[in-house]
Amino acid sequence: DAKTTQPPSMDCAEGRAANLPCNHSTISGNEYVYWYRQIHSQGPQYIIHGLKNNETNEMASLIITEDRKSSTLILPHATLRDTAVYYCIVSPSNQAGTALIFGKGTTLSVSS
Amino acid sequence: GAVVSQHPSWVICKSGTSVKIECRSLDFQATTMFWYRQFPKQSLMLMATSNEGSKATYEQGVEKDKFLINHASLTLSTLTVTSAHPEDSSFYICSARDIRAPGGGNTIYFGEGSWLTVV
Repeated sequence: DAKTTQPPSMDCAEGRAANLPCNHSTISGNEYVYWYRQIHSQGPQYIIHGLKNNETNEMASLIITEDRKSSTLILPHATLRDTAVYYCIVSPSNQAGTALIFGKGTTLSVSS
Repeated sequence: GAVVSQHPSWVICKSGTSVKIECRSLDFQATTMFWYRQFPKQSLMLMATSNEGSKATYEQGVEKDKFLINHASLTLSTLTVTSAHPEDSSFYICSARDIRAPGGGNTIYFGEGSWLTVV
């Protein structure tokens, strides 16, 4: 079973920031928080991951609470092409044989 | 980021025949690859873990004799659906872990997926 909880759906206006929450209250000390998204009929696309500190890359920012029990993915200026299912996954980072286990994710709909 | 490529992107086969899907890591070596299946409007479901040079590890409920996995090299894993039936029609996705990722925590990258339709 997935170890994260996400809202099933969210809406966002184009050009605004999209803030996608994720609860992972049972996260272990060696587990990272990963975010992927899946656009219809494509394989999941890696977005960002982090352990304790906030992270930022060209796609998004990841804010992890101090107790690590929840996080928020931020898309600073959402576009129509950001419409997708967003998955928050926790997984140990250094175990090569460990697969990512997907929950139901959040369907983000960006509209003009 | 690293690239994982699948082939074919889509395939139609007759019931009772076998079909092979290839998964390649294009710019990194992967001792472990993962195979998923996804039905319409559902999430990805892990089928098996493919280990280079050894047998695959299958998830509970996945028939190993029906879904043959071979990981003969560090850049290639194949999934063969044997004696395919219409209920095997699905979106099959592979992934591989790139252990070179900087900053701690290695990253898993996914292929584009392969649509299988069994008629």
